[in-house]
Amino acid sequence: GESVGLHLPTLSVQEGDNSIINCAYSNSASDYFIWYKQESGKGPQFIIDIRSNMDKRQGQRVTVLLNKTVKHLSLQIAATQPGDSAVYFCAENQGGSEKLVFGKGMKLTVNP
Amino acid sequence: KAGVTQTPRYLIKTRGQQVTLSCSPISGHRSVSWYQQTPGQGLQFLFEYFSETQRNKGNFPGRFSGRQFSNSRSEMNVSTLELGDSALYLCASSFRGLSGNTIYFGEGSWLTVV
Repeated sequence: GESVGLHLPTLSVQEGDNSIINCAYSNSASDYFIWYKQESGKGPQFIIDIRSNMDKRQGQRVTVLLNKTVKHLSLQIAATQPGDSAVYFCAENQGGSEKLVFGKGMKLTVNP
Repeated sequence: KAGVTQTPRYLIKTRGQQVTLSCSPISGHRSVSWYQQTPGQGLQFLFEYFSETQRNKGNFPGRFSGRQFSNSRSEMNVSTLELGDSALYLCASSFRGLSGNTIYFGEGSWLTVV
């Protein structure tokens, strides 16, 4: 199938560097946020989530930061690896249902 | 535990035809939602089902419809296909479909309309 990652902003990093991917969300009423990773030809893969009553959450090599004041979300990937190369999407959930509103996406390229 | 399963994975249809896509959610998940993904518009919400009822609908024409069965499996249908309907159609499921429930996606169905 064709790529859905065309014409996306791109972040290129060297293997071993830390990566930061930013996202601005739209609805101040959103109370749940998710980061997804999408590799070519695959569906979005859950990475990490955070609720609006938290500012920071850590997973394995990943950290999500939430700044509700400026409606900003970031994903930090430590020691980036070639396998991290993918398109990353943030998504906001507006409560009471499963509807997600997705950001535009960021293509991460990790150079060996 | 099997993930979200979508069939078919790839299909080609002609303008004016209709198509049905199928989704089997993760076992025990009762909420299913559908998204359309295109390079130009990104990921856009189509609709959401919970316990066989449509709870939410995105801004798509009436040619796009769906349903959910008693076993939580879901189908979506697109009638009178247009070239612009070419996209990756993604199904997602969660346990209860409430805010804060982790939402998992399938691999999608690639639809090409010629």
